[in-house]
Amino acid sequence: GENVEQHPSTLSVQEGDSAVIKCTYSDSASNYFPWYKQELGKRPQLIIDIRSNVGEKKDQRIAVTLNKTAKHFSLHITETQPEDSAVYFCAPGTYKYIFGTGTRLKVLA
Amino acid sequence: EAQVTQNPRYLITVTGKKLTVTCSQNMNHEYMSWYRQDPGLGLRQIYYSMNVEVTDKGDVPEGYKVSRKEKRNFPLILESPSPNQTSLYFCASSVQGDYGYTFGSGTRLTVV
Repeated sequence: GENVEQHPSTLSVQEGDSAVIKCTYSDSASNYFPWYKQELGKRPQLIIDIRSNVGEKKDQRIAVTLNKTAKHFSLHITETQPEDSAVYFCAPGTYKYIFGTGTRLKVLA
Repeated sequence: EAQVTQNPRYLITVTGKKLTVTCSQNMNHEYMSWYRQDPGLGLRQIYYSMNVEVTDKGDVPEGYKVSRKEKRNFPLILESPSPNQTSLYFCASSVQGDYGYTFGSGTRLTVV
């Protein structure tokens, strides 16, 4: 079956530093690449997404880069803040989405 | 307010007693989906629907049924719940299949 892997599974950074989370997938038919943020006890929320015809997309402190040839895409968070602490999920696919198992990001004040 | 509404938020039931978790969206979204979330396993797709009367299996459909008779509603049915279906369930919708999801607030189900 299709496989999605996220690395690292946990990540601790100092406030103000950058964080990078990588998502590797196996389904070459995937053409939509979102990242979701889930705070403790809450629902996942879409924070950024990219489509297969674009290599990079930025939205203020967050960015997503896509390497379709290598089948991976990454979430970049710059100038991290305590409120960035959450679990982040990638979910590549097309109509049928497989979520990664999540990366727990802790931003230390 | 644009939203996905799930009910109930919490449910404790006994093995074998049929139950339905309702999901409704008010955004005229075509695509709806159900996920279950378990510790260490992330979110796993149960069923999805690309439009009215069109449903398809996700990765873990066993023991679940869905229907999409109206665009706004996508109920999840457990005909004979078992303890391994104890989980946190999320309904989600999107404009179309290749757009980001809006999630409901979740249903925590315990089957004893």
